[in-house]
Amino acid sequence: AQSVTQLDSQVPVFEEAPVELRCNYSSSVSVYLFWYVQYPNQGLQLLLKYLSGSTLVKGINGFEAEFNKSQTSFHLRKPSVHISDTAEYFCAVSPSFYNTDKLIFGTGTRLQVFP
Amino acid sequence: GAGVSQSPRYKVTKRGQDVALRCDPISGHVSLYWYRQALGQGPEFLTYFNYEAQQDKSGLPNDRFSAERPEGSISTLTIQRTEQRDSAMYRCASSRLAGEVRDNEQFFGPGTRLTVL
Repeated sequence: AQSVTQLDSQVPVFEEAPVELRCNYSSSVSVYLFWYVQYPNQGLQLLLKYLSGSTLVKGINGFEAEFNKSQTSFHLRKPSVHISDTAEYFCAVSPSFYNTDKLIFGTGTRLQVFP
Repeated sequence: GAGVSQSPRYKVTKRGQDVALRCDPISGHVSLYWYRQALGQGPEFLTYFNYEAQQDKSGLPNDRFSAERPEGSISTLTIQRTEQRDSAMYRCASSRLAGEVRDNEQFFGPGTRLTVL
């Protein structure tokens, strides 16, 4: 079975500051890794995904994440945040072994960007 | 083009009533997923379809929950004899075809907020 842990439920940060949202996963099989963003009253939107290859993945809106197999982590980073980045961010895994895209989500991190 | 749509957006019902939640996927998308998101939690997988076939219903919490997709397009999630613990956001997602993660993406609808009184 797979599980995802997002240790920080809320991350407050000032505009233009860097931010890191932490994600750790547990799995006995290889997994694909994802970050989704949820803006108020909207559906979840894919930010980026790691399938294989380079461990540094770049996504939309200037976000990037680094896959670290030894630490079973997939932390999300942005060097300079904007007010518009205020949203809830979800890390998710999908078992790569099976013919399914079933996503297993963490509990989410609310990013609050202050002016 | 149009994204995934869900209706109703909000549903308030009394305990014991049946509810039906609808999902209209992106046109041409083969796979359709249902997730449930409780307050303060991440989405939790319920079930998914490829075309009209239900491939995995391991996440359905009990036999009061059922889903169908009879023509391989629109899907309905039905909850019978609702209970207060069923209150949550129910999210639907669609993708071109499950199992092809490399070129695939799940597109999520806005969700249906269900409140059981």
